[in-house]
Amino acid sequence: AQTVTQSQPEMSVQEAETVTLSCTYDTSESDYYLFWYKQPPSRQMILVIRQEAYKQQNATENRFSVNFQKAAKSFSLKISDSQLGDAAMYFCAYRRTQGGSEKLVFGKGTKLTVNP
Amino acid sequence: EAGVTQFPSHSVIEKGQTVTLRCDPISGHDNLYWYRRVMGKEIKFLLHFVKESKQDESGMPNNRFLAERTGGTYSTLKVQPAELEDSGVYFCASSPWTGYSSPLHFGNGTRLTVT
Repeated sequence: AQTVTQSQPEMSVQEAETVTLSCTYDTSESDYYLFWYKQPPSRQMILVIRQEAYKQQNATENRFSVNFQKAAKSFSLKISDSQLGDAAMYFCAYRRTQGGSEKLVFGKGTKLTVNP
Repeated sequence: EAGVTQFPSHSVIEKGQTVTLRCDPISGHDNLYWYRRVMGKEIKFLLHFVKESKQDESGMPNNRFLAERTGGTYSTLKVQPAELEDSGVYFCASSPWTGYSSPLHFGNGTRLTVT
């Protein structure tokens, strides 16, 4: 079964600094998608960035980028120039499709605090 | 475009009572999902609707949980009778089509507290 592990329950960063959130996963599939979601205190989960497993190039969305190491099954999120609005729970997720059914497998999340 | 809406935002009930959670997906989205996060644990998949049909309900914890999606529009998740371990945040999400590239939109969640 697929599992997603986020080893950092909490992280903190100074405003304008860079922080990296870790995520590892376990799967026997060769084609899949990986995601980072952000859940601010207002509670709506928002997609931050996604990575297609067959693409070697790391995904980038403005200040957010990933370091995708397929062989190591690692998918870390780097936030550059951290802003106060980046404070949130961050969830790493693996998306699988099987028999027409789709589901996300989530990690436990990392709570990110941004200090002014 | 209106997002995924969930009602209520917070519900506090006593053990043994019944609670019904509602999710209104984005209009036109065939796929609707329910997830749950119990405090301190992972967000877990509950089930997946395609239109009004249950595509996958393998994540439903037990027969105290009943999900419906009449007419393929909004969905309800009923817990009857509620137990203490049912406490958590219940998320609904919708997407327009099935597939890796289909964007998934989440609601704000319903925080359920069973006392």
